[in-house]
Amino acid sequence: QSALTQPPSASGSPGHSVTISCTGTSSDVGGHNHVSWYQQFPGQAPKLIIYDDTKRPSGVPDRFSGSKSGNTASLTVIGLQAEDDGDYYCSSYAGSNILLFGGGTKLTV
Amino acid sequence: QLQLQESGPGLVKSSETLSLTCTVSGDSIRGSAYYWGWIRQPPGKGLEWIGITYFTGSTYYNPSLQSRVTISVDTSKNQFSLKLTSVTAADTALYYCARQRVDVLTAEYWGQGALVTVSS
Repeated sequence: QSALTQPPSASGSPGHSVTISCTGTSSDVGGHNHVSWYQQFPGQAPKLIIYDDTKRPSGVPDRFSGSKSGNTASLTVIGLQAEDDGDYYCSSYAGSNILLFGGGTKLTV
Repeated sequence: QLQLQESGPGLVKSSETLSLTCTVSGDSIRGSAYYWGWIRQPPGKGLEWIGITYFTGSTYYNPSLQSRVTISVDTSKNQFSLKLTSVTAADTALYYCARQRVDVLTAEYWGQGALVTVSS
């Protein structure tokens, strides 16, 4: 299995929207409804913000949403805020008790 | 409140074995709905899933690391551990322990991470 593909960087102005993609294959992203997204700030552990493609854990603002089409999942952030500046990683279940991560995207607000 | 705390040597010599322990509080490691796993992040780089263990002792590993990794569990201490043999500089990373869903391995809770540096 190979790592999932994410753009290395993304940017947007405060109040605007940004979408980050995560591309895999039919064996992982496209084959299971279990893509997750994690937010990470410098010096901190990643935090789960989207799971099962589209669901948000309690406490995560509804400005964050997940979607998927075929082998590509996406994280969209609307109403960008300065505090959203950080790194974002996707992951996908790949079957046989294996988890894959994307390479990460640095979001600049 | 669930907490995970990694512990172990921060410096390991090349070719030796890296050993880390994760202590879980606020939840029983015997819970049937979760795996307990390790994920690492080299400095300035992305995340890499290492593997998981269940309270029964069952384990699953990243195929790329499988020949060098052992994850074990100690239910009496509510801890699980990672051993990585024959380390090189490429194994220098922040090592996180995490609670992962048993169905699809979503990493719901993470420890703060432990930096392990491999020296020559």
